[in-house]
Amino acid sequence: EIEMTQSLATLSVSPGERAILSCRASQSINNNLVWYQQKPGQAPRLLIYSASTRAAGVPARFSGSGSGTEFTLTIDSLQSEDFAVYYCQHYNSWPPGYTFGQGTKLEVK
Amino acid sequence: QVQVVQSGAELKKPGASVKVSCKTSGFHGHFMHWVRQAPGQGLEWMGWINPDSGGTKYAQKFEGRVTMTRDSAATTVYMEISSLRYDDTAVYYCARDGAWTIRGFDYWGQGTLVTVSS
Repeated sequence: EIEMTQSLATLSVSPGERAILSCRASQSINNNLVWYQQKPGQAPRLLIYSASTRAAGVPARFSGSGSGTEFTLTIDSLQSEDFAVYYCQHYNSWPPGYTFGQGTKLEVK
Repeated sequence: QVQVVQSGAELKKPGASVKVSCKTSGFHGHFMHWVRQAPGQGLEWMGWINPDSGGTKYAQKFEGRVTMTRDSAATTVYMEISSLRYDDTAVYYCARDGAWTIRGFDYWGQGTLVTVSS
């Protein structure tokens, strides 16, 4: 089974600055990478799929990049509503692979 | 309008079973996944069900203890866990697979808290 690692459990960034979150796969997953945002008491929200495609309604300050084993979620000009937990996920229909990373909590510095 | 609505919170004793429902509307033909989240922990994929065919695929960890089913209208899916343990205490989510166009889980239910306590 492919493992997904988000090396930073917590990232502290000031509002208005840029946040860069990372995710690593234990083997190549091409661009089969998804990012979710989760706020306390809420279900996760799809942000980015296929490593770099923003989901509908996601602000342009969110961008994803990477392929193979290394992936990045960048959030420009952080807004107050962006402070949350972010999960990456390996998404593969067949053979089925939907493993999540451990999550990175983005907090106010 | 896509909607995914789950059943309410459950309190169960160890060794019992629990069955959580997930009612969908506004779409058809999408696999539905189940994901759980223990208190203060991350997300864990449990498996999927194809509501049209009833076909399922479970994460290895849950094979033999989890059963996913659907109703005849293919609009409500269910996830049942047997032989509950204390560490099954979690919020359980159902989520729609975006399928061929959106490769991710694009709509989620509100979550169902299952508490296992004696």
